[in-house]
Amino acid sequence: QKEVEQNSGPLSVPEGAIASLNCTYSDRGSQSFFWYRQYSGKSPELIMSIYSNGDKEDGRFTAQLNKASQYVSLLIRDSQPSDSATYLCAVRSSASKIIFGSGTRLSIRP
Amino acid sequence: DAGITQSPRHKVTETGTPVTLRCHQTENHRYMYWYRQDPGHGLRLIHYSYGVKDTDKGEVSDGYSVSRSKTEDFLLTLESATSSQTSVYFCAISGVDGATNEKLFFGSGTQLSVL
Repeated sequence: QKEVEQNSGPLSVPEGAIASLNCTYSDRGSQSFFWYRQYSGKSPELIMSIYSNGDKEDGRFTAQLNKASQYVSLLIRDSQPSDSATYLCAVRSSASKIIFGSGTRLSIRP
Repeated sequence: DAGITQSPRHKVTETGTPVTLRCHQTENHRYMYWYRQDPGHGLRLIHYSYGVKDTDKGEVSDGYSVSRSKTEDFLLTLESATSSQTSVYFCAISGVDGATNEKLFFGSGTQLSVL
């Protein structure tokens, strides 16, 4: 079992709708959770980090964390074509090790 | 942009030859990571370092070794390259551990082809 699991997609969402991305992790001791976005041929870039249970909002992005269920999600409101990318969930599973999921490809259709 | 440089950017090599990839940072960050990225697998951690001469294995460390003799450089070596090691390799750095401003900065990647 991979330490961090994501649906690979592709996830297709109409422009202006809400995109919902999900991630589960196996290490109950994990403390830090991240969402990275990666455009084709580019390096990943951080879009959200979350450390405590509940929701964290930043503009059109909302990260949700449920440690009891070992579940992290990312909501993208008012989806734009520029949001089309691969979204990578990452978890700091010990003091220094950061593990990524396999990524979800998101496509926003006009 | 964080000062992180990977070299080479592209390399083609033959099966059985040794290959070394270099990651150089100018940020004086403590943590450095090597990942490989293949279609359908996201980023997989190969090795990481939490200080000079302090390294540990990641998810897919077989066939790879690393060294960090100074803060700014983290080297990844494929002792005897195989075709299964054809991949894009990313180096990443981080200055904090568990703090709320924690963030990985990535290099531009190295495309390695083993023929």
